[in-house]
Amino acid sequence: ETRLTQSPVTLSLSPGEGATLSCRASQTISSTFLAWYQQKPGQAPRLLIYGASTRTAGTPDRFSGGGSGTDFTLTISKLQPEDFAVYYCHHSQTFGQGTTVEI
Amino acid sequence: QVQLQESGPGLVKASETLSLTCTVSLSSLSRSYWGWVRQPPGRGLQWIGYIYYNSGYTSYHPSLVSRATISVGTSESQFSLHLRSVTAADTGVYFCARGSMSSPATFDTWGQGTHVTVSS
Repeated sequence: ETRLTQSPVTLSLSPGEGATLSCRASQTISSTFLAWYQQKPGQAPRLLIYGASTRTAGTPDRFSGGGSGTDFTLTISKLQPEDFAVYYCHHSQTFGQGTTVEI
Repeated sequence: QVQLQESGPGLVKASETLSLTCTVSLSSLSRSYWGWVRQPPGRGLQWIGYIYYNSGYTSYHPSLVSRATISVGTSESQFSLHLRSVTAADTGVYFCARGSMSSPATFDTWGQGTHVTVSS
C-alpha cells in the first residue's frame, strides 16, 4: 500500500502570499491518479485537481498542481481569504494526512 | 448538478453493523462509480471503497475489506455501505461520493456527510 506524506503539516501565511504544499509517495505512483482536495470546517472535501495537474471546472487558476514519480506539489499563487483550509493529496486508496493553510 | 445525500442511524452499538444509504439526484446511477470516504473526529480522510453500478464491481481499502460491503440500492438512485462488527474506531463522518471518469477512486462530487457514533 502506498503511503502519502504531506508537508508541512501547517502553513501560516497571509492573504496575497503564495503557498507551496508537498505530497510525497512511499513509492513511484502514476500521476494520472494523483488528486488534491480542499476541505473547509464542517464541509465535504472538494476536488481541486486531478491527474496531478488538471484543474476541475470551478477551480481558480491560482491553484496549480505538478510533479511526478514520488513528489507532487500544489501551489496557490496568491492566497485569497477563502483559500484558508485543509488540503489533502490522494492516490487510489490513500489520502495524505493533510496540510492546514491558516492565516 | 448532481447532488448526493447520506442517510442512516447516527448511533450504532459496538459489534453491530453500520448501514448507510446514499441517495443521488439522478434517475439512474448507471455508467458511474460510487463510493464512500470517512473522517474520524478531528482527523483526516480515509478512503473506504467504491462500486461500479453497471457491473457491481467493488474495490475496498485493505484495512476494511473484511468488514465493508458497498452495494447498489433497491432504488436505482441509491447505493449503500454496510460495515460489520463496528468499534469506537469507526466513529466519524461518512461521506458518499461519485467517482470521476478519469479515475474511479477519485471522487468529484460529494454528499455533505453524516455523523456516526459507535457506542459501547
